[in-house]
Amino acid sequence: GAGVSQSPSNKVTEKGKDVELRCDPISGHTALYWYRQSLGQGLEFLIYFQGNSAPDKSGLPSDRFSAERTGGSVSTLTIQRTQQEDSAVYLCASSWTKYNEQFFGPGTRLTVL
Amino acid sequence: QQQVKQSPQSLIVQKGGISIINCAYENTAFDYFPWYQQFPGKGPALLIAIRPDVSEKKEGRFTISFNKSAKQFSLHIMDSQPGDSATYFCAASPYNSNSGYALNFGKGTSLLVTP
Repeated sequence: GAGVSQSPSNKVTEKGKDVELRCDPISGHTALYWYRQSLGQGLEFLIYFQGNSAPDKSGLPSDRFSAERTGGSVSTLTIQRTQQEDSAVYLCASSWTKYNEQFFGPGTRLTVL
Repeated sequence: QQQVKQSPQSLIVQKGGISIINCAYENTAFDYFPWYQQFPGKGPALLIAIRPDVSEKKEGRFTISFNKSAKQFSLHIMDSQPGDSATYFCAASPYNSNSGYALNFGKGTSLLVTP
């Protein structure tokens, strides 16, 4: 079946603009994770959803970042007033339950000019 | 603060040789230790994972060795092939009701297998 998909694959934006990144998990996967991959910080966890609920938002880098998940499926990560330090690859992963293997999408490469 | 320390940063191995990548951690709450392989432009893909109740797990050419007392684990790739050239990440996770099995990744090892 289809894997985790993310869109767009690449996004170039100007500093100060808002961006929205989308993740379509594997059908039936209840757990969804967002990570960020950058040269300086490596792979870092941002936020976890079990169903539509995100119990803890403290992993988000700043209050300019928000995330939601609707219908237990699609998730969006929104970055407001983007800064150059937000440039990174944003990865989404999903799993059947919180205990299972995480399957990663191909990521969205965000470049803030 | 890097919770999982990975070494070496890069590794060159001849075809047919053994590739060894090491990781160390401090958090004794970690109870899930996966290894991921990542090719350029792709997301990480799970290779093999271990839980702390076993000291070794083998799947094909890939073996994880786990030393709970030393808080170290390693990936061995036997009979390394040029197609194994990729970046490898170790990770560790505790279960937490707020973050599920959110992974703490090492910095990665860039492996090059020469023909």
